[in-house]
Amino acid sequence: GAVVSQHPSWVICKSGTSVKIECRSLDFQATTMFWYRQFPKQSLMLMATSNEGSKATYEQGVEKDKFLINHASLTLSTLTVTSAHPEDSSFYICSALGLAAEPYNEQFFGPGTRLTVL
Amino acid sequence: GNSVTQMEGPVTLSEEAFLTINCTYTATGYPSLFWYVQYPGEGLQLLLKATKADDKGSNKGFEATYRKETTSFHLEKGSVQVSDSAVYFCALFSGGYNKLIFGAGTRLAVHP
Repeated sequence: GAVVSQHPSWVICKSGTSVKIECRSLDFQATTMFWYRQFPKQSLMLMATSNEGSKATYEQGVEKDKFLINHASLTLSTLTVTSAHPEDSSFYICSALGLAAEPYNEQFFGPGTRLTVL
Repeated sequence: GNSVTQMEGPVTLSEEAFLTINCTYTATGYPSLFWYVQYPGEGLQLLLKATKADDKGSNKGFEATYRKETTSFHLEKGSVQVSDSAVYFCALFSGGYNKLIFGAGTRLAVHP
């Protein structure tokens, strides 16, 4: 089956620093990747949709200068949390949509990255 | 707009009990419907899906039927196990919006 990895799986950083999270599709090419944020005991909130080679589309209320997304290849998308603050602490999950996706457009999810900002 | 409503949890059951988690949706057109499961500290795993009315998705003893007349996609399992303890998310995908819409999630706790 399609596998999506994320790196790192967890990260702790100091307030004011930037953190990069990688999302890779390991055995398929992904034209579209999605980044979600999940607060404790809550549902997933879509942050942005990234398409390979073009600018990401951000959901309303998500600061694009704060959460930089780059989708440089068909297997890699990165999310950079710039000047992180404690309120950015969360569980970040990516998903990927394959080139040969079925009509129902199944997304394959990564295992998530837990960010803690001190 | 499109939305998904799940029953509030937590749902607490004894092992071998019958499980139902209700899910209803609002959508234009003909969305695809999904159930995802999230184990503690992990990302989401697709549990089952249905792409058109009256389809039944099934996996690992879980099943759900796409009911267009009642706009529902309830998750059921005849006999739950402790290992089924997790959070379950109902979701829909509508091509018009090109994104998954998730319900709030229902936490299931199964005790021996």
